[in-house]
Amino acid sequence: AQSVTQLGSHVSVSEGALVLLRCNYSSSVPPYLFWYVQYPNQGLQLLLKYTSAATLVKGINGFEAEFKKSETSFHLTKPSAHMSDAAEYFCAVSGGGAQKLVFGQGTRLTINP
Amino acid sequence: SAVISQKPSRDICQRGTSLTIQCQVDSQVTMMFWYRQQPGQSLTLIATANQGSEATYESGFVIDKFPISRPNLTFSTLTVSNMSPEDSSIYLCSGTVTGQNTEAFFGQGTRLTVV
Repeated sequence: AQSVTQLGSHVSVSEGALVLLRCNYSSSVPPYLFWYVQYPNQGLQLLLKYTSAATLVKGINGFEAEFKKSETSFHLTKPSAHMSDAAEYFCAVSGGGAQKLVFGQGTRLTINP
Repeated sequence: SAVISQKPSRDICQRGTSLTIQCQVDSQVTMMFWYRQQPGQSLTLIATANQGSEATYESGFVIDKFPISRPNLTFSTLTVSNMSPEDSSIYLCSGTVTGQNTEAFFGQGTRLTVV
């Protein structure tokens, strides 16, 4: 079975500051890990994914995440926040491929001018 | 990649009625899924839509309440039956493209309000 915990339901940063969204997972099998972004009134867009290849994964819009097995973490970072990054971010895990994803509770990112 | 079109995008329905949500994919997908996102919460998997056979439901979801069809590889419907205000949610369909099962694509969602 898999589960995901996102620490912080709401994160607020200033424009240009570092963005760090935390995700810890639990999985009984080698996990596939994903970060999705949801803009208001829209579906989910894949930011990046970890599929047992490189542990540092680069995604779209300047985001990246590092898979740390010892810490069971997959935190999302971006060096410099932009106003357009304001959205809801979801971390998800599966036990194989992108099938039957288990999502975290989500983190709402607010960017202050 | 795949583009998933979902309709309606939103609806307001009377309690006791049913709503059918349609999901159309522009390419063949191996698997299709339906998720529910209750207000202020995360996504929960309702079921896997199987082509030509009965859907596979997750714990807490039953076919009588959420009948699902998938007549071919690119189309699926979810019906929310005998609705109550507790069914007010966003419903999203998702698919994994044949040969690319490490990425799930999502429709834009259907925002359902039951009054």
